[in-house]
Amino acid sequence: EIVLTQSPGTLSLSPGERVTLSCRASQSVSSSYLAWYQQKPGQAPRLLIHAASTRATGIPDRFSGSGSGTDFTLTISRLEPEDFAVYYCQQYGNSPRYSFGQGTKLEI
Amino acid sequence: EVQLVQSGGGLVKPGGSLRLSCAASGFSFSTYSMNWFRQAPGKGLDWVSSITWTGDNVYYADSLRGRFTNSRDNAKNSLYLQMNSLRAEDTAIYYCARLINGYQDYWGQGTLVTVSS
Repeated sequence: EIVLTQSPGTLSLSPGERVTLSCRASQSVSSSYLAWYQQKPGQAPRLLIHAASTRATGIPDRFSGSGSGTDFTLTISRLEPEDFAVYYCQQYGNSPRYSFGQGTKLEI
Repeated sequence: EVQLVQSGGGLVKPGGSLRLSCAASGFSFSTYSMNWFRQAPGKGLDWVSSITWTGDNVYYADSLRGRFTNSRDNAKNSLYLQMNSLRAEDTAIYYCARLINGYQDYWGQGTLVTVSS
């Protein structure tokens, strides 16, 4: 099983700031099959990034993903008030044995 | 517009059963594989089960195999999760999600399953 570890667990930031979230895998994620999701309270996860760096349809360009192998990052270039949420990384290279990181919470 | 509308959650006693449904619209349901995930209160996301577009192949998380059954009816554009022998630790919000190229692009709204006496 591929274990994903996200850091930090919680970040306190202000609108307008730049933030980088980390996701580290216990073994190499094949073909950069890594996705990022945003989840707000009471809502389902929303796809942001797939294939490590491809933005999903309708996702603003302030969101960007990068990385390969075991180290991946999600960067939000300038935080908007609606970006405060929990972010999860997910590997799907070992599908259907999907696994998620434990999440990073962005709070104001 | 792609929509996945879930139903069937609720309160059930330990050892009981429940069937969740996920009604798909706005896309050709019969050509997509589908996933179930769950999220315990205040916790992260866990994969539950996957089913291919034909329904011929179904995969389960190791801890759930034998208790949960994932199925689909392409004629009704619907996905189902039959859950038997429920335990307190199965308490969670359950999500269905469309699978594309290995990842999930659309999710249902989630349905809460509470297992308690």
